[in-house]
Amino acid sequence: DSGVTQTPKHLITATGQRVTLRCSPRSGDLSVYWYQQSLDQGLQFLIQYYNGEERAKGNILERFSAQQFPDLHSELNLSSLELGDSALYFCASSPTVRTDSPLHFGNGTRLTVT
Amino acid sequence: EDKVVQSPLSLVVHEGDTVTLNCSYEVTNFRSLLWYKQEKKAPTFLFMLTSSGIEKKSGRLSSILDKKELSSILNITATQTGDSAIYLCAVDRDDKIIFGKGTRLHILP
Repeated sequence: DSGVTQTPKHLITATGQRVTLRCSPRSGDLSVYWYQQSLDQGLQFLIQYYNGEERAKGNILERFSAQQFPDLHSELNLSSLELGDSALYFCASSPTVRTDSPLHFGNGTRLTVT
Repeated sequence: EDKVVQSPLSLVVHEGDTVTLNCSYEVTNFRSLLWYKQEKKAPTFLFMLTSSGIEKKSGRLSSILDKKELSSILNITATQTGDSAIYLCAVDRDDKIIFGKGTRLHILP
């Protein structure tokens, strides 16, 4: 058990809808990362937060947004969903702002858009 | 554009065989290279290789970083069915960690 908790485990929704994925980092970790994993693209970095502030941005669509709250949990919001957004979304955490320690991953949220 | 390329994409071997997985990278501001194992769910950390630690070993698994060739290999000796997984290579470029698409390894009993 990595100590990173993601909810829900599974999510099925229709095109055009909006969903929120939730992540609680390991105790003591200040950085949270979001990744999208699809069969053909592998693990794609979306965004990183450190202690409530956005730290780095990857290939995150404008329809997606995220935030990290004072208690350090993070939410990833996906709106105007399309079929292609179906994927496994992982949250990972690490202790510091610098990427000098391994990431610890949650078990992911599997999103299916129909 | 930064990229991390793994080969082969998939590999099927028999229990007891030795396998070598490859990872090459082109990134700016390289800090470290990491290997992860992904079974059914979350990727789990295996090794981190940096300029000051270019070779790591844990049991039957070992990894080497070649900074001149911008590549790394992950070796697994005496493979077991429990080694079946996707092996992910990632490169830390200071502001983010970029993953390759992974090598899907299947061990036949």
